[in-house]
Amino acid sequence: AQTVTQSQPEMSVQEAETVTLSCTYDTSESDYYLFWYKQPPSRQMILVIRQEAYKQQNATENRFSVNFQKAAKSFSLKISDSQLGDAAMYFCAYRSLQGAQKLVFGQGTRLTINP
Amino acid sequence: EPEVTQTPSHQVTQMGQEVILRCVPISNHLYFYWYRQILGQKVEFLVSFYNNEISEKSEIFDDQFSVERPDGSNFTLKIRSTKLEDSAMYFCASGLGLNTEAFFGQGTRLTVV
Repeated sequence: AQTVTQSQPEMSVQEAETVTLSCTYDTSESDYYLFWYKQPPSRQMILVIRQEAYKQQNATENRFSVNFQKAAKSFSLKISDSQLGDAAMYFCAYRSLQGAQKLVFGQGTRLTINP
Repeated sequence: EPEVTQTPSHQVTQMGQEVILRCVPISNHLYFYWYRQILGQKVEFLVSFYNNEISEKSEIFDDQFSVERPDGSNFTLKIRSTKLEDSAMYFCASGLGLNTEAFFGQGTRLTVV
């Protein structure tokens, strides 16, 4: 079974600075998806960015980018020019291409933005 | 923009009572999921549903849980006899097909007292 680990329960960053959230995963599969979800205080799950494992190029969405290291099974999220609205819980998630393609989530990292 | 909607947003129920959590997936989606998040913990997969049957379920999804798609638009999660430990946020998600995005609803907060 796949597992996802986020080793940073909490992170904080100054507004306008850059922060990187870490995620590692374990799988024996060669093809899969990886995601970062944002969960603000409203607790809705909002997709931030996704990465297909077969793509070598790191995904980017505006201020959000990932560093995907397939061999190391690492998938970190970089947030540039942090804004107050970025404050939230961030979850890394793995999705197999087999079966029902459920999401397996990490424990989450609570990100605080300091003004 | 199409979205997954869940009702109610918050439900309080007595221990031992039955609850039904409702979800309206995006209209052309074919794959449906329920996830659970106990306060302060990670999001956990409960069940997936496709072609009017369960395609996969987790160990959490025991006999007290059931899902159905009664009318082609709603997707419901029923908990037959609620326990205190069922208190959690329940998320519905839907996807158009395999290898496509799954979109989450805003969640239903279930409190069992």
